Amino acid sequence: DIVLTQAPLSVSVTPGESASISCRSSKSLLSSKGITSLYWYLQRPGKSPQLLIYQMSNLASGVPDRFSSSGSETDFTLKISKVETEDVGVYYCGHRLEYPYTFGAGTKLELK
Amino acid sequence: EVQLKESGPGLVQPSQTLSLTCTVSGFSLTDYSVHWVRQPPGKGLEWMGVMWSGGSTAYNSALKSRLSISRDTSKSQVFLKMNSLQTEDTAIYYCTRDTFDYWGQGVMVTVSS
Repeated sequence: DIVLTQAPLSVSVTPGESASISCRSSKSLLSSKGITSLYWYLQRPGKSPQLLIYQMSNLASGVPDRFSSSGSETDFTLKISKVETEDVGVYYCGHRLEYPYTFGAGTKLELK
Repeated sequence: EVQLKESGPGLVQPSQTLSLTCTVSGFSLTDYSVHWVRQPPGKGLEWMGVMWSGGSTAYNSALKSRLSISRDTSKSQVFLKMNSLQTEDTAIYYCTRDTFDYWGQGVMVTVSS
């Protein structure tokens, strides 16, 4: 199985500042179709996960452009600029390259 | 409006079988896949399996021997059945569409005698 390792496990951010979350894959997530199969999700407290980013760098519908993602075949970074109260929760990276789809352990973002 | 809603028993006895239903609206099961994802209390996400739009299925190998996913397209429902439940199967069970762009609210299942 592909292992996704997130860092840090938690991050505390002052509102208005930026935050970055790393996700490292045990295998290249570049598919034979040239798509990087890396996704980012946010799970707010007590809520279902929400898709933020698909195929490494594409913003999901309705997601503010304060969120961005970039990376290589195995190393990825989610950046949140100008953090707001609504950004609090746990961020997960995940892949869909092969079965089983797997997720990182999550990074908890809280406000200072 | 796209919606998914999970339903099923909140409590299951050890060694018994779990049966869950995901009822969808706003899209057709013949156009989009539906996945099952679970989350033990306070822990991360685990992909369980998928019902593809064409009717085929795929399962997480860690659960494959216990898991079955089926559907009734006329009722817009996808079913999950998992046998031989143990306490470690206690989790919130979610169904989610295709690229995980829409999720149900989740159903909490507790395995306990």
